[in-house]
Amino acid sequence: EIVMTQSPATLSVSPGERATLSCRASENVNSNLVWYQQKPGQAPSLLISSASTRATGVPARFSGSGSGTEFTLTISSLQSEDSARYYCQQYNSWRWTFGQGTKVEI
Amino acid sequence: QVHLQESGPGLVKPSETLSLTCSVSGGSISSYFWSWIRQSPGRGLQHIGYVSNSGSIRYNPSLKSRVTISLDTSKNQVSLKLTSVTAADTAIYYCARGQDVAVDWGQGTLVTVSS
Repeated sequence: EIVMTQSPATLSVSPGERATLSCRASENVNSNLVWYQQKPGQAPSLLISSASTRATGVPARFSGSGSGTEFTLTISSLQSEDSARYYCQQYNSWRWTFGQGTKVEI
Repeated sequence: QVHLQESGPGLVKPSETLSLTCSVSGGSISSYFWSWIRQSPGRGLQHIGYVSNSGSIRYNPSLKSRVTISLDTSKNQVSLKLTSVTAADTAIYYCARGQDVAVDWGQGTLVTVSS
């Protein structure tokens, strides 16, 4: 099983600041990496696929980068509505595996 | 826009079978891949398995002996059965559409395993 590790567990930032979230894979997943956003009481929603491609309707302040085993989600200028938990997921293997999430507090 | 809605009992007794249905609207289930994913505080998000639009099915090895995912094209539904449940199977269960990526998710349904 490919293990996904996210850091930090919690990130406290002020509105307008930049947030950088990390995700590490236990083996090479190429660019087969997704980021989801989950708000309390809701299902996760797709933010970014293929490590860096924003999903339809996702604001440009969200960007993804990385390949191989190291990935980053950057939120360039945090808005209050960005307060959520963010998960990475690999799909290099048919068996998707998820990180434990990073909680972003604003 | 494809809409997914999970349904099923919210409480299941230990050793019994958990059965959930995902009703799909806005698209044919025959056109897409479908996954079941569960989320619990202790285990986080876990991919249970998927069924493809061609009918191929794969299960998480940790659950393989207990899980069945199937399609009912006449009702446009995807189903999940998990046998011999224990408290460790208590979770929110989601169905999701997508081959590599969960593009669309249902709202999820909480299933509690308790006597």
